[in-house]
Amino acid sequence: ETGVTQSPTHLIKTRGQQVTLRCSSQSGHNTVSWYQQALGQGPQFIFQYYREEENGRGNFPPRFSGLQFPNYSSELNVNALELDDSALYLCASSWTGGYTFGSGTRLTVV
Amino acid sequence: AQSVTQLDSQVPVFEEAPVELRCNYSSSVSVYLFWYVQYPNQGLQLLLKYLSGSTLVKGINGFEAEFNKSQTSFHLRKPSVHISDTAEYFCAVSDLRGTASKLTFGTGTRLQVML
Repeated sequence: ETGVTQSPTHLIKTRGQQVTLRCSSQSGHNTVSWYQQALGQGPQFIFQYYREEENGRGNFPPRFSGLQFPNYSSELNVNALELDDSALYLCASSWTGGYTFGSGTRLTVV
Repeated sequence: AQSVTQLDSQVPVFEEAPVELRCNYSSSVSVYLFWYVQYPNQGLQLLLKYLSGSTLVKGINGFEAEFNKSQTSFHLRKPSVHISDTAEYFCAVSDLRGTASKLTFGTGTRLQVML
């Protein structure tokens, strides 16, 4: 069922660096959300974009930012990476009453 | 604010036995309810969802869940599990704010099916 594609699948970065994760969602799904899933935890809401505007944000610092583009793709940018940013990052596109998740990007910060 | 409690972090069960994974939620507004499954090194796959209507919801792979508003629960059940059901299961809620809604997840239940 999933029509959400994330890239890359795995990524290793050094503390202090910046990273950009990408997501391509299903055509017509104009809402995209990003979640962070630390090892052994449930996903935590980072933020949501609707029609290219941020439309809700979880308890994450400003160094987590995003963009949504007219072609239903989106980006998650994280500046000044910290070791605790190591996690699986999930993108989800949504329509009325439902959410479709991508397979995620596994980010490791060393 | 919403919260989800999954009471069991791990549930071991023998193949072909029934299983119930428990989920309780807290919310001051009406919610949608979801169960997702996550296989190792993969994303989340939707098992089933409750939006409205019948409180018994049937999903994929033989799973079903029952919404109980008075007990604020949404327990997941399967009458006979298979070894391939071994995975992490997440219960989630979303409020009904339309396009600005978000999912709040529980901490997950690890279902371990044994031969």
